[in-house]
Amino acid sequence: GQQVMQIPQYQHVQEGEDFTTYCNSSTTLSNIQWYKQRPGGHPVFLIQLVKSGEVKKQKRLTFQFGEAKKNSSLHITATQTTDVGTYFCFFPNQAGTALIFGKGTTLSVSS
Amino acid sequence: KAGVTQTPRYLIKTRGQQVTLSCSPISGHRSVSWYQQTPGQGLQFLFEYFSETQRNKGNFPGRFSGRQFSNSRSEMNVSTLELGDSALYLCASSPGHGQAEYNEQFFGPGTRLTVL
Repeated sequence: GQQVMQIPQYQHVQEGEDFTTYCNSSTTLSNIQWYKQRPGGHPVFLIQLVKSGEVKKQKRLTFQFGEAKKNSSLHITATQTTDVGTYFCFFPNQAGTALIFGKGTTLSVSS
Repeated sequence: KAGVTQTPRYLIKTRGQQVTLSCSPISGHRSVSWYQQTPGQGLQFLFEYFSETQRNKGNFPGRFSGRQFSNSRSEMNVSTLELGDSALYLCASSPGHGQAEYNEQFFGPGTRLTVL
């Protein structure tokens, strides 16, 4: 079946440092979505990537979809304490039989 | 628009009991998905309903079941509860049209289930 890996599991940074989380799939994806979950909250949609090699930016956040559509990354420039939370990648199973979230990367930021 | 609502927010049950959780999607959304979130396993997909039909299913035992009503509200039932069923149960709604599975999902606040 489809294998998903999201790394790292945890990341601690000093405020102002950059942060990147990676999501890798064993199979080609039709699209990928990214979500953020604040501590004690629920996942909130950030963005969707569909095209091979696509890059999208939201202020300090940069999302990238690999050329082979098997991997994706989320990069945060100059982290702030408001960036704290867990970032998940999400995509449907190739066979359409399950909807899969990566295990998530939990980001902590110290000021 | 009102967001996704889930009831109850907290629930305590004992092993062997059954439980029903409810989810009301955003008005106009026809797809409702359910997820189990635990610290060890992350977000695991249970099932998705679209227009009262189960469209996708995850790898959970038959003790976990769901249904969707004509107004798109959905319920999830867990029978014969086990200690390992303690988790945050999240539902998410999406419009469900077009490339349905790929729509943005809007999550509810979740139901925290504790099994003693």
